[in-house]
Amino acid sequence: DGGITQSPKYLFRKEGQNVTLSCEQNLNHDAMYWYRQDPGQGLRLIYYSQIVNDFQKGDIAEGYSVSREKKESFPLTVTSAQKNPTAFYLCASSMSGTGYGELFFGEGSRLTVL
Amino acid sequence: AQSVTQLDSHVSVSEGTPVLLRCNYSSSYSPSLFWYVQHPNKGLQLLLKYTSAATLVKGINGFEAEFKKSETSFHLTKPSAHMSDAAEYFCVVSEYSGGGADGLTFGKGTHLIIQP
Repeated sequence: DGGITQSPKYLFRKEGQNVTLSCEQNLNHDAMYWYRQDPGQGLRLIYYSQIVNDFQKGDIAEGYSVSREKKESFPLTVTSAQKNPTAFYLCASSMSGTGYGELFFGEGSRLTVL
Repeated sequence: AQSVTQLDSHVSVSEGTPVLLRCNYSSSYSPSLFWYVQHPNKGLQLLLKYTSAATLVKGINGFEAEFKKSETSFHLTKPSAHMSDAAEYFCVVSEYSGGGADGLTFGKGTHLIIQP
């Protein structure tokens, strides 16, 4: 079945450590996105990529980094520079240039900083 | 600039009664509008979308929404609630009708509670 796989589902980190969240899709979508979700805040865009080897900052990119070396993969690194990293992280994909904003989401990764 | 306001953070209804989740938007252009649903600890799933065709849009699981330009609203309804409808619902606006999801603005969500 086609879809988006995020791993790990739960992750604990000590302050000062970098962590990388994995996102893989087999939908053959060009565009991929990372969102952060906090209770009562809706979703906020961290980074997005519309093509391999290219990506753009979203609304809250500070303290995060990404790469897009393959069409299927869009990993997110939460660096020690992120002041408040505890959150639910969602990866999504869409057909670039079409789809009218229809996103397909993974099941999320919950990061807790101890 | 575009924005979206979900008027209720929580809505509670009894099973079998109608559901109404309210959403108002602001947009400088003709927007596209969406409703997504999120069950606990899961990703979001598209319920329905409006993209300047029919103003009454039917979605999955018996949900529908009506685009009212004069009221700048896009309320989500369902005639009869089911226990499985308990979830978080997000209203989303996009000013870029042909573009990617970088032009999307999410509402803060409405938590729907279904009483047995």
